Amino acid sequence: DIQMTQSPSTLSASVGDRVTITCRASQPISDWVAWYQQKPGAAPKLLIYRASTLDGGVPSRFSGSGSGTQFTLTINSLQRDDFATYYCQQYSLYSWTFGQGTTVEI
Amino acid sequence: ELQLAESGGDLVHPGGSLRLSCAASGFSVSSIYMAWVRQAPGKGLQWVSVMYGGGATYYAASVKGRFIVSRDKLKNSLYLQMNSLRPEDSAIYYCTKGRGNYYPYFDVWGQGTVVTVSS
Repeated sequence: DIQMTQSPSTLSASVGDRVTITCRASQPISDWVAWYQQKPGAAPKLLIYRASTLDGGVPSRFSGSGSGTQFTLTINSLQRDDFATYYCQQYSLYSWTFGQGTTVEI
Repeated sequence: ELQLAESGGDLVHPGGSLRLSCAASGFSVSSIYMAWVRQAPGKGLQWVSVMYGGGATYYAASVKGRFIVSRDKLKNSLYLQMNSLRPEDSAIYYCTKGRGNYYPYFDVWGQGTVVTVSS
């Protein structure tokens, strides 16, 4: 299976900050990457697919980039509602593996 | 509105079996990608199984040979039959709807159902 290595595992930030989370795939996967946000006690929510396409209703302060093996999720002007855990996911070659998660905390 | 509702989670002994159900509303489970994703307590997300609209199924190595995914068009539901359960199968099991070309990502999630495997 393709592995996704996500970093950092925890990120401390303040409201208004710009934060960046990275994922590295164990082999090239084109742009078959999605990003999800999960808050405590809730199901994950899709933010981005195809590495850089925002899902409907997702605020424009979220953005994604990358292709091949390196991918990035950026949150501009962090809002209080953005404190959560974020997961990258690759979906290719009939496997769907997630990164270990990044918790964005105050 | 597209919705998914899981049920069937329970406490089961190691080696036992359990069947999870996922009722869909707002779309047909038979014409779309569907999947099960689990999350062990305090841990990250792990895909379990994916079913394509045409019926093809895929399983994570950790559950292959023990879990079977199926669907019922009339009940508009997805199922996960889990056999030979192990303590490491303990998790919240989420039913998800897939979207995309060739390989799906997951755009609609249920609230999850809890499976605990313990003696």
